[in-house]
Amino acid sequence: SQQGEEDPQALSIQEGENATMNCSYKTSINNLQWYRQNSGRGLVHLILIRSNEREKHSGRLRVTLDTSKKSSSLLITASRAADTASYFCATGDNAGGTSYGKLTFGQGTILTVHP
Amino acid sequence: EAEVAQSPRYKITEKSQAVAFWCDPISGHATLYWYRQILGQGPELLVQFQDESVVDDSQLPKDRFSAERLKGVDSTLKIQPAELGDSAMYLCASQGLAGGVGEQFFGPGTRLTVL
Repeated sequence: SQQGEEDPQALSIQEGENATMNCSYKTSINNLQWYRQNSGRGLVHLILIRSNEREKHSGRLRVTLDTSKKSSSLLITASRAADTASYFCATGDNAGGTSYGKLTFGQGTILTVHP
Repeated sequence: EAEVAQSPRYKITEKSQAVAFWCDPISGHATLYWYRQILGQGPELLVQFQDESVVDDSQLPKDRFSAERLKGVDSTLKIQPAELGDSAMYLCASQGLAGGVGEQFFGPGTRLTVL
């Protein structure tokens, strides 16, 4: 089952613009991760933010986490055509035990960056 | 750079036939995951291994799906018999931290089409 929902489902922008994607989830989490998937391929890890962190940066990526609202956002600044892909948030729950590293993925946002 | 290997990349089969997918994780990674990703959705966990042991197979349709990781290294996912609804991308991922929090490394996936 999917943990959360991503918004928007699809986003189309011009090169150089910023892209913002949002993720909402339902249960208590330990961490939240963002992944990118190019068409028909495997997923690539972008960034991980822990539940006690509010903001994290990596290059042109900025992730925020609001555990009180159970939501996260991914901002890609100065987008490039090569950023065209599907973006997924994934949550790691607080259940502990041997399945501690388990992730639950959202439905994804399809980002298209036009040259 | 170490990668997760999967084979075959594509598989076309008829319903009621048996299919098998293979995954070789990054060397030294104790945790291995199999996901199913239906077109337009996020990956859903089928089974999680810690070394050779299954730690979560709650979403695995056990009447037709089986998974093994006999020596705690590579893994095989089998479907028998395949049904039309099994058409999807099957992704394997591995993680280096035993039961810990961290990124998962994904293979390129196997695209299954059931006719």
